[in-house]
Amino acid sequence: GEDVEQSLFLSVREGDSSVINCTYTDSSSTYLYWYKQEPGAGLQLLTYIFSNMDMKQDQRLTVLLNKKDKHLSLRIADTQTGDSAIYFCAVPNNAGNMLTFGGGTRLMVKP
Amino acid sequence: ETGVTQSPTHLIKTRGQQVTLRCSSQSGHNTVSWYQQALGQGPQFIFQYYREEENGRGNFPPRFSGLQFPNYSSELNVNALELDDSALYLCASSDSGLTTDTQYFGPGTRLTVL
Repeated sequence: GEDVEQSLFLSVREGDSSVINCTYTDSSSTYLYWYKQEPGAGLQLLTYIFSNMDMKQDQRLTVLLNKKDKHLSLRIADTQTGDSAIYFCAVPNNAGNMLTFGGGTRLMVKP
Repeated sequence: ETGVTQSPTHLIKTRGQQVTLRCSSQSGHNTVSWYQQALGQGPQFIFQYYREEENGRGNFPPRFSGLQFPNYSSELNVNALELDDSALYLCASSDSGLTTDTQYFGPGTRLTVL
């Protein structure tokens, strides 16, 4: 089955850029997703990218997709303390009915 | 437009008991998926319901079962609870008629099994 890997932890200073990385094994997914989870809360959809795109920008968020290397990244510009959370990348299966999540990257933003 | 809602927020049960968790999908969505998120891990897919039929199942035993109702709301039932069933249970709704089929999540139900 699908395997999705993320680094566990990232610490940045307020105002810096954050880059969260994700690798996956199944290249047939049509869309790839980034979700944010704050303590004790559900998952908030942040953004997604279609598999035929290399880059998608949405305000402070930039998603980069390297299909050859099966690598997805999320860049947050001008990171704020409110961005502190756990970030998950998620990859659908071929049928599109199941998301496989990475283990999550905990982002800590220091003032 | 209302988002995905789940009830109850928290639940404490003992081993061997049965539990029912409920989910109301986002307005206009016809598909509901359930995920289990153990502490410190990513969510794991349990199953999905589309038009009241199971439409895919993850690696969970048969004591995890579900229902979807004509109004697209859904229930997750877990029988013979085990300690390892303690987790955050997340429901997600989506519209299978759309190309993206993006899943939108509710706030979750925190289940503790003692």
